[in-house]
Parts: sequence; C-alpha cells; structure tokens
Amino acid sequence: GAGVSQTPSNKVTEKGKYVELRCDPISGHTALYWYRQSLGQGPEFLIYFQGTGAADDSGLPNDRFFAVRPEGSVSTLKIQRTERGDSAVYLCASSYTADSSYNEQFFGPGTRLTVL
Amino acid sequence: RKEVEQDPGPFNVPEGATVAFNCTYSNSASQSFFWYRQDCRKEPKLLMSVYSSGNEDGRFTAQLNRASQYISLLIRDSKLSDSATYLCVVNMYGSGGYNKLIFGAGTRLAVHP
Repeated sequence: GAGVSQTPSNKVTEKGKYVELRCDPISGHTALYWYRQSLGQGPEFLIYFQGTGAADDSGLPNDRFFAVRPEGSVSTLKIQRTERGDSAVYLCASSYTADSSYNEQFFGPGTRLTVL
Repeated sequence: RKEVEQDPGPFNVPEGATVAFNCTYSNSASQSFFWYRQDCRKEPKLLMSVYSSGNEDGRFTAQLNRASQYISLLIRDSKLSDSATYLCVVNMYGSGGYNKLIFGAGTRLAVHP
C-alpha cells in the first residue's frame, strides 16, 4: 500500500517568508509525528498528533512553528517568518497507534527546506 | 550531554567484514529501543527492534544492556548494500503516554569491494 507522502519534496524560500509543508500519513494511522533533521544529525522530534489534537508540541523550537491536523489525517506544518537556521529536512512519520512501546513509526521521504 | 550518543564514524570496511556499532543513552526511563537505517538523502527505516534478551535477524544482531544503558548492533558478512547511516533510537514511551523517539546522530558505514 501507499506509504507516508510529503509535499513538496523541496522548498526554497527567502528569509522572512511563510511556508507550509504537507504530510499524508498511511491510511488508518491515528498517530502522526513531525521531526526535523539537520545535516549530520538524527531526526529531532517536533510535535505529535493523536487524531486531530496535538498531544505534545514540546519539540517546536519557537512560536513561529505551528502544525495542524484538522480531520485527523493530513497534517500541515507551518513556519512563519522563516530564518536561515530553519533550513533542514522536515520528516513526517505515522504509526497505527501510539499505545504500545514497539509500534513502528513509518517515515515519509521528507521536505528539504532551504531558507536563503 | 546528548540523550543518545553514537560514534559518528565513518566505518570503512571491506565486504565480508564484521562491524559493531555502539550506542549509549542517558535516560534510564527509556522504554524501548531500535536501530533505524538511513540511506543518503532518504528517510529512516526501521532495521530492527532491540530487546533485553538480545535478538538476531539474519546477519544482524542487536543487544541491550539496561544496567549500562548501552545498545549495540553487530553486522556480520557485510555487503555493499549495507552502506548507510545507522541510527540508534530510544523510545521515551510512558513519560508522555506515547511513542516519543529520540535519535542518535547516526553512525555512517561504508562497505567497499
């Protein structure tokens, strides 16, 4: 079946602009996660959704970052007033549930964001 | 101190070699453990879960030592296709009631002919 998809695959923007990154999880997966991966580092947790609600947004770096999942499926990560330091690969992952410690998270291909 | 620490490598080994990766984690409340594999410019993919008793999947063996907060991955008979970055991952499940994965920075493996 289809995996996690993310659009766009690449996004180049200018400092100060607003961007939206989209994630389509695997159908039927209730848990959705956003991560950010900088060069040479592992993915870093940003936010977790269970259904429509953001159950944990403690990883969002500041209030320029916001994410929604209005219908419990597709999610959008929104970044306002982008800065050069926001440049990274933004990864989305989904899992069937989040109620077992060994539930596998399936990752999308990521959106590579470059802020000039 | 980082929550999950790995030797960044790179490990350059010939085909057929045995290579071992180590990882330490700082939070003793960590619930479950994984190794993910990430190819260049691709997403991470689950390689294997790591259980207290140790587990094996073909050429891959993972071990966990909770007392030392140490995780290892052994790859036997390395193949060219094993070349990738191996990410050590700790799940903080329980503290927040959901699977919060903490990734190490990864260890790069390059297998050459």
